[in-house]
Amino acid sequence: AQKITQTQPGMFVQEKEAVTLDCTYDTSDQSYGLFWYKQPSSGEMIFLIYQGSYDEQNATEGRYSLNFQKARKSANLVISASQLGDSAMYFCAMSADSWGKLQFGAGTQVVVTP
Amino acid sequence: DTEVTQTPKHLVMGMTNKKSLKCEQHMGHRAMYWYKQKAKKPPELMFVYSYEKLSINESVPSRFSPECPNSSLLNLHLHALQPEDSALYLCASSHALAGAYNEQFFGPGTRLTVL
Repeated sequence: AQKITQTQPGMFVQEKEAVTLDCTYDTSDQSYGLFWYKQPSSGEMIFLIYQGSYDEQNATEGRYSLNFQKARKSANLVISASQLGDSAMYFCAMSADSWGKLQFGAGTQVVVTP
Repeated sequence: DTEVTQTPKHLVMGMTNKKSLKCEQHMGHRAMYWYKQKAKKPPELMFVYSYEKLSINESVPSRFSPECPNSSLLNLHLHALQPEDSALYLCASSHALAGAYNEQFFGPGTRLTVL
């Protein structure tokens, strides 16, 4: 069975600091994708970043980077230079060609303080 | 147009009412999804449509009835709901069925309250 684990239920981070959100996964599939989504209090799920299982380089999108360690089965999200607007719930998710659906972790609530 | 739209934003209904949620995308995506999300929890998949055909039904009660009239539109018909069905209902779409390479794009959701 596939499983996504986010062990940090909540985090406080100061503005302009970097923050790392942990995500580990378990799957027997060789080809899979890892995704991070942001969900502000308004409710919309915003796609942030994607990492494919065969990608050798870590994905980056602006202030977001994904620290992919395949052997450890981890896909941590790093947000650099945090902003107040980064306060939200963050979900790690995984999908594979054999499933047809996205498996989400429990999420991490991030609060950015001035 | 890189947007998934959902209407209505908010819906309050009684247990005997019949209502529908609507989702639309114009990105040419051929897979569309309905999720249910309770507060502080991850989204739970309900239904998946691929090329307008129901591909996955996650054992959802029959009081929820999905419909995909065309490749851009996805409806969720609601009938005789229970208070525990109150939740945020999210629609999403992707180029093809979710897999190793297909990210899903979500709409803003409909907040449903069942009285």
